Amino acid sequence: SQQGEEDPQALSIQEGENATMNCSYKTSINNLQWYRQNSGRGLVHLILIRSNEREKHSGRLRVTLDTSKKSSSLLITASRAADTASYFCATDDRGAQKLVFGQGTRLTINP
Amino acid sequence: EPEVTQTPSHQVTQMGQEVILRCVPISNHLYFYWYRQILGQKVEFLVSFYNNEISEKSEIFDDQFSVERPDGSNFTLKIRSTKLEDSAMYFCASSQPGLRNTFGSGTRLTVV
Repeated sequence: SQQGEEDPQALSIQEGENATMNCSYKTSINNLQWYRQNSGRGLVHLILIRSNEREKHSGRLRVTLDTSKKSSSLLITASRAADTASYFCATDDRGAQKLVFGQGTRLTINP
Repeated sequence: EPEVTQTPSHQVTQMGQEVILRCVPISNHLYFYWYRQILGQKVEFLVSFYNNEISEKSEIFDDQFSVERPDGSNFTLKIRSTKLEDSAMYFCASSQPGLRNTFGSGTRLTVV
């Protein structure tokens, strides 16, 4: 698998349900970030988790990081129609300043 | 909250023409980047810029591409002779060392 691969590629749930997206990566990292992108629009930064952190919360978002498994998950609780977007994880490959993005998860929240 | 500003939001150009995409990074940031996203695909790193020089570039960033910080505020990406496959969304980003990248809203480049 490539650096920063998300699964599932697409997820469709009902409004109010929780959405979980996963990301795997291959190299050592200093931090991992999650971004949201509405169709054809810019990248909105959601949350950054450092390699020495295991879990982080921001509003309805919960991110976990397991450096032993080189994986992260993003949980959106009590989903809303406005959460419909693509979600990308991005890692700083081997601590470099550049970001390496995954393919993303397309999340659809059905009203 | 400070923003990264990109202009234009959409540019259409003829194949073979030169284009310059413009960005104004956040003023106290030290690292500047260009990424691109071909429609429906993932975001790909093109180049990073620090201390007035390129610090890293990807295989995509060939001789057709160049970057410049012509003054204290602007950061530009030039594509010398555009090809159809250069059609993509181009994102500028900036950051402080070790901190999150802040992205602009992107320039959609369409090469016809």
